[in-house]
Amino acid sequence: EAQVTQNPRYLITVTGKKLTVTCSQNMNHEYMSWYRQDPGLGLRQIYYSMNVEVTDKGDVPEGYKVSRKEKRNFPLILESPSPNQTSLYFCASSPTGVNQPQHFGDGTRLSIL
Amino acid sequence: KQEVTQIPAALSVPEGENLVLNCSFTDSAIYNLQWFRQDPGKGLTSLLLIQSSQREQTSGRLNASLDKSSGRSTLYIAASQPGDSATYLCAVGTGANSKLTFGKGITLSVRP
Repeated sequence: EAQVTQNPRYLITVTGKKLTVTCSQNMNHEYMSWYRQDPGLGLRQIYYSMNVEVTDKGDVPEGYKVSRKEKRNFPLILESPSPNQTSLYFCASSPTGVNQPQHFGDGTRLSIL
Repeated sequence: KQEVTQIPAALSVPEGENLVLNCSFTDSAIYNLQWFRQDPGKGLTSLLLIQSSQREQTSGRLNASLDKSSGRSTLYIAASQPGDSATYLCAVGTGANSKLTFGKGITLSVRP
């Protein structure tokens, strides 16, 4: 089954404790992207990757890192999480970019205390 | 900076009604416009994608139109059903095929 898989689905942690949210897709897509969704603010792009060679910042990259060592995986790294990063996070992928339908994961709900 | 607006934030209609959801955007330099559906506790599901050169797309009971010059799109849902209850988001593609800017969504409730 074609899918985008995020792990974990839920996480409660404390300020300053490094964490990684994994994202994996099995559709051989080049393009992957991370979003956060907050009440009243909607979905905002954090980082995107056009392919394993190209990764760049979205609208709200502060406090986040990503890596794209292989095509299928695009982990989101919070080196020193803070309470303002409490949010619902989504990973998405598509064959080559936003000019095609996006496939989203089911989301990761992070709570930073 | 591109801004995408969806009004109203919530809508409740009786089953069987035809309805229109609106989306507006401030910068007409877009690659495409996409409509998504989001169910509680789930990710987004792509419903329709309209390329910038197109005027509309149809899938089953759904029809989406795009007017780039006026910065507007509509999602038409025919003969609404309770199963259509969800949040509907529109997003415009910009930034050299790299960026999606989302509206905040319209939460639709279809009453039996």
